Amino acid sequence: ETGVTQTPRHLVMGMTNKKSLKCEQHLGHNAMYWYKQSAKKPLELMFVYNFKEQTENNSVPSRFSPECPNSSHLFLHLHTLQPEDSALYLCASSQEWLPRTDTQYFGPGTRLTVL
Amino acid sequence: EDQVTQSPEALRLQEGESSSLNCSYTVSGLRGLFWYRQDPGKGPEFLFTLYSAGEEKEKERLKATLTKKESFLHITAPKPEDSATYLCAVKGSGTYKYIFGTGTRLKVLA
Repeated sequence: ETGVTQTPRHLVMGMTNKKSLKCEQHLGHNAMYWYKQSAKKPLELMFVYNFKEQTENNSVPSRFSPECPNSSHLFLHLHTLQPEDSALYLCASSQEWLPRTDTQYFGPGTRLTVL
Repeated sequence: EDQVTQSPEALRLQEGESSSLNCSYTVSGLRGLFWYRQDPGKGPEFLFTLYSAGEEKEKERLKATLTKKESFLHITAPKPEDSATYLCAVKGSGTYKYIFGTGTRLKVLA
């Protein structure tokens, strides 16, 4: 595997379900990100982790719970979601501790549908 | 407040018809300006990073330029396979946040 991978690619869940999204980066980066992308809106930053420590939580509802066990893996745990949470969820990684190295690389995304 | 505005929102070109996409930005201490290409239902694909005014980068039919207030993505003699949404983002100093624009949807007709 190369780059940033995400699983599953598609997910349909009911409002009472609990599911998790997984992201893995194979680039040796130290920072990982979760974004939400809805139609006709800019990418919305949800969470940022740098060296496994959460550095940003962009006022995300508690029904979204991130987990970063190490610099290569990032999870987004989902529970009691609402239909308006249906979107493309994107994971990204970057190298944040050297100048001119902080380009973000994205995974393919998980298309989430909440019924 | 850091902000990115992209124009036009949508653009239709004939194959071979060159044009430019605009990204206007305000940011505290620009650390980088980034261009991505995104196909429907897929993650953004990295194109260019520009760090300082006057910098230019090229890749095939694409050329990105940067001033202190805006960036342009020039597309020379586009082909139908260049059809995609092009996203611009900036990152300021002292932050982990990348600010994205809403993108320009490009359609190139054969």
